[in-house]
Amino acid sequence: SQTIHQWPATLVQPVGSPLSLECTVEGTSNPNLYWYRQAAGRGLQLLFYSVGIGQISSEVPQNLSASRPQDRQFILSSKKLLLSDSGFYLCAWSNVNTEAFFGQGTRLTVV
Amino acid sequence: DQQVKQNSPSLSVQEGRISILNCDYTNSMFDYFLWYKKYPAEGPTFLISISSIKDKNEDGRFTVFLNKSAKHLSLHIVPSQPGDSAVYFCAASFGANNLFFGTGTRLTVIP
Repeated sequence: SQTIHQWPATLVQPVGSPLSLECTVEGTSNPNLYWYRQAAGRGLQLLFYSVGIGQISSEVPQNLSASRPQDRQFILSSKKLLLSDSGFYLCAWSNVNTEAFFGQGTRLTVV
Repeated sequence: DQQVKQNSPSLSVQEGRISILNCDYTNSMFDYFLWYKKYPAEGPTFLISISSIKDKNEDGRFTVFLNKSAKHLSLHIVPSQPGDSAVYFCAASFGANNLFFGTGTRLTVIP
């Protein structure tokens, strides 16, 4: 069966520090991969999606970037965090024409 | 621009009664619609979906209705149970690449 792992679960980082959140999927090949952010009153905002290795599409301009170095690995990064980057970050995967399955999320607090 | 909208941020329903959660969308290209349930500090879990070629899909206590002409979908939960209390997100997609989410509705089922 397919599983998705996302870590860390919580993270407190100072302003200006770098960020790296990792997500891996098991049990499926060539999935679509997504990074979402849930901010208060904003629902789930799609940040990045990837349909294959090295293929990243950005939905909103921001202080973040994403990379897909392997088929089932998706990384969310920032060189310098801002206070406004605080939020709940979710990784998800899907195959064509199926629902997306989410990881447990990372609560990021930038202080 | 929010392409999927959930205009009711919260809903309270008595146990045993029907819960109706509503969702509107603006993009006529959407061809697949989903509902997710989310508990605090967890990733959303998939509940039920519907393709644009249908107008109703049922799974146990959950039924999703789609009105394409009105660009509206709804989730009915009958009967509502206290364990249904959560935030519900509707989502829509086209081209099997992106999922666009609404801002969520917090459902509280009162025992």
